Amino acid sequence: EVQLVQSGAEVKKPGEPLKISCKVSGYSFTSYWIGWVRQMPGKGLEWMGIMNLGDSNTRYSPSFKGQVTISADKSISTAFLQWTNLKASDTAMYYCSVAVDGLYWFDPWGQGTLVTVSS
Amino acid sequence: QSALTQPASVSGSPGQSITISCTGTSSDVGGYNYVSWYQQHPGKAPKLMIYDVSSRPSGVSNRFSGSKSGNTASLTVSGLQAEDEADYYCSSYTISTTPDYVFGTGTKVTVL
Repeated sequence: EVQLVQSGAEVKKPGEPLKISCKVSGYSFTSYWIGWVRQMPGKGLEWMGIMNLGDSNTRYSPSFKGQVTISADKSISTAFLQWTNLKASDTAMYYCSVAVDGLYWFDPWGQGTLVTVSS
Repeated sequence: QSALTQPASVSGSPGQSITISCTGTSSDVGGYNYVSWYQQHPGKAPKLMIYDVSSRPSGVSNRFSGSKSGNTASLTVSGLQAEDEADYYCSSYTISTTPDYVFGTGTKVTVL
């Protein structure tokens, strides 16, 4: 069974850095995409970016390019989403999910990581 | 790239059928059969309900079905049940922007 387990909730101050993780287990495919999705409080889902864990090809939404960095450590089947300078507006739930390379849907999803940025 | 357009809310009585629309353009919904639908209960992660316009993952009730006509995709829930009350989002592959996918605005389904 494929499982995505995300790191726990974070409370940070504006200006601080943060790196959250998404560990993939039970996946037998050699090439797949990890997607990161933001959901601000009471709002809808937004694609932030996707990364191919096979060749590290990374594609960001224009809204998030330069604001976050998506990376991965293939040796531990873990993807990361990081900020160097958090803002209060980064307060949101962040989800990761996977898609097999060549297929166009994401399933399953991680449980989500709640990031709260407040002074 | 703007989000795909969905109605903000749809409601129905138990046992009835409801349909949620998802309107895009020829660069996304209309151009590719890569529309998926996700169900999200409050406080929970999204769950895949339909992929490739009309295919249903293993374990998803056959009360859920998908279709597409032109630039509009649709999700139909038949035999509405209390547990179907949730938010629903469509997503489509797109060539208009990275990261190659766009979500719909989301629809709140209420079971009366």
